[in-house]
Amino acid sequence: DGGITQSPKYLFRKEGQNVTLSCEQNLNHDAMYWYRQDPGQGLRLIYYSQIVNDFQKGDIAEGYSVSREKKESFPLTVTSAQKNPTAFYLCAGMRRSYGYTFGSGTRLTVV
Amino acid sequence: AQSVTQPDIHITVSEGASLELRCNYSYGATPYLFWYVQSPGQGLQLLLKYFSGDTLVQGIKGFEAEFKRSQSSFNLRKPSVHWSDAAEYFCAVSSYGQNFVFGPGTRLSVLP
Repeated sequence: DGGITQSPKYLFRKEGQNVTLSCEQNLNHDAMYWYRQDPGQGLRLIYYSQIVNDFQKGDIAEGYSVSREKKESFPLTVTSAQKNPTAFYLCAGMRRSYGYTFGSGTRLTVV
Repeated sequence: AQSVTQPDIHITVSEGASLELRCNYSYGATPYLFWYVQSPGQGLQLLLKYFSGDTLVQGIKGFEAEFKRSQSSFNLRKPSVHWSDAAEYFCAVSSYGQNFVFGPGTRLSVLP
């Protein structure tokens, strides 16, 4: 079945560490997105990519980085510069005629 | 700029009762409109979408929504709620399938 696969489902980070969240898709979507979700704050856009080797900052890009070396993969790195990284992270692919298809999310916790 | 409001942060209904979740948007042209549902700890699932044509659209799980241009609304309805419908619901608007803006979400609780 086609879809967006995020891994791991749960991730723990120590202070000062970088961690990378994986997002893979087999839907052949050109556009991919990363959102952060905090309780009571809805979805906030971190980064998005509309084609391979190109990506754009969203509303809350500080402390995050991405790469898009191939169409199927859009990993998100949460760097040590992100002061409050504990959140639920959602990856999505998008087709104009359909809208978003979301992954099942990664819950990141700082320990 | 596009914006989406969902006036109700939290709604509680009894199982079997009807449901209406409100969504209002601000956009200069005819928008693409969407409703998504999110169960706890999960991603968002598309319930239904409106691009053009019939203003009453049917979705999955027995949901429907009506686009009312004069009221800038796209309210979600279900005639009889099931306990499994308890979740968070997000309305979204986009311009020609790009530049999505999500509403803040409405959390639905269902009483037995």
